[in-house]
Amino acid sequence: AQTVTQSQPEMSVQEAETVTLSCTYDTSESNYYLFWYKQPPSRQMILVIRQEAYKQQNATENRFSVNFQKAAKSFSLKISDSQLGDTAMYFCAFRQGGSEKLVFGKGTKLTVNP
Amino acid sequence: SAVISQKPSRDICQRGTSLTIQCQVDSQVTMMFWYRQQPGQSLTLIATANQGSEATYESGFVIDKFPISRPNLTFSTLTVSNMSPEDSSIYLCSVTVGASNIQYFGAGTRLSVL
Repeated sequence: AQTVTQSQPEMSVQEAETVTLSCTYDTSESNYYLFWYKQPPSRQMILVIRQEAYKQQNATENRFSVNFQKAAKSFSLKISDSQLGDTAMYFCAFRQGGSEKLVFGKGTKLTVNP
Repeated sequence: SAVISQKPSRDICQRGTSLTIQCQVDSQVTMMFWYRQQPGQSLTLIATANQGSEATYESGFVIDKFPISRPNLTFSTLTVSNMSPEDSSIYLCSVTVGASNIQYFGAGTRLSVL
């Protein structure tokens, strides 16, 4: 079974600085998708960024980018120019190709300090 | 994308009673998913609901405790039956729209059982 591990339960960063959240996963599959979701205190889960395993290029969405290391099964999220609104729980998630099930990590609570 | 409405947004219930949570999507979707998020924890998939067939439950979840209806392609309900304080959680529904491989989430139902 696939597992997703987020080793940082909590992190904090100063506003305007850069922070990296870690995620590792375990799978024997070659076709899969990886996601980072954000859950602010209001609890609506929002997709931040996604990565297809077959793509070597790291995904980027504005201030959010990933470092996808397929051989190491690592999928970290970098947030540049952190903003107060980035304060949230961040969940890394895995989805096997051909399936619609998501497997979530335990989450990292990120606090952006003014 | 998809707009997902969940009702109720929160409820406080007595032990031994049941609560039905509704999930409405603004477009037709094949699969709808129900998750449980216990306090301070990650999301755990309860079941997958396809229109016109029985829901598929994950290990540790049973139909008698969490009956699910899926009467059409835009609506589903999850019932939490014979509740105990251990059922206090946030319950979220989600859908995958089109071929995007992205799951969109409702705002969740925060359930407290006394």
